[in-house]
Amino acid sequence: KQEVTQIPAALSVPEGENLVLNCSFTDSAIYNLQWFRQDPGKGLTSLLLIQSSQREQTSGRLNASLDKSSGRSTLYIAASQPGDSATYLCAVRPQGGNTPLVFGKGTRLSVIA
Amino acid sequence: DGGITQSPKYLFRKEGQNVTLSCEQNLNHDAMYWYRQDPGQGLRLIYYSQIVNDFQKGDIAEGYSVSREKKESFPLTVTSAQKNPTAFYLCASSIVDGRAQEGYYGYTFGSGTRLTIV
Repeated sequence: KQEVTQIPAALSVPEGENLVLNCSFTDSAIYNLQWFRQDPGKGLTSLLLIQSSQREQTSGRLNASLDKSSGRSTLYIAASQPGDSATYLCAVRPQGGNTPLVFGKGTRLSVIA
Repeated sequence: DGGITQSPKYLFRKEGQNVTLSCEQNLNHDAMYWYRQDPGQGLRLIYYSQIVNDFQKGDIAEGYSVSREKKESFPLTVTSAQKNPTAFYLCASSIVDGRAQEGYYGYTFGSGTRLTIV
């Protein structure tokens, strides 16, 4: 059964720092991997999606990489801002059979001004 | 604009009552999903449906029921059999595998319903 782990569970950084959030998964047979942002009491907002054939995706200050063979993904946030404070969730879509997304527990990020 | 609408935003239920959470999408997605979120637990799958009039149990289906009579709608009923229903409930939709050429491959989520037992 696919399991997704996110490290660290919480992270606090000063404004302006570059940072990396980690995600690992146990089964490399994935269709895609998606990073989400969640603000307190809100739904999930999709940040980046990487198909299994891709190595990375970029959107503004965000860059996500995927190493399927080692079961790892990273989300890089450049020049962090207080508005980046949120919980970041990683989810993998297993390959075949329209299997639903499997989520990690998230990393709670605080960017201090 | 296309999206998913969950209602209500907040819901209060007395012990022993059933309650239904609404989820509607206008993205023309075939698949819809219900997840439950508890503090420190991440998202856990309750039910999902890949086509009208068909649905499958997720990891924590006990005490819940769903229906999929229309492509746009996937309501979730929390029954009195659910022992600890207080949680944040999230609905999502996506295209199914094999139809990726029709658009975005990822999941789109609603804004959630917070259910509290009073």
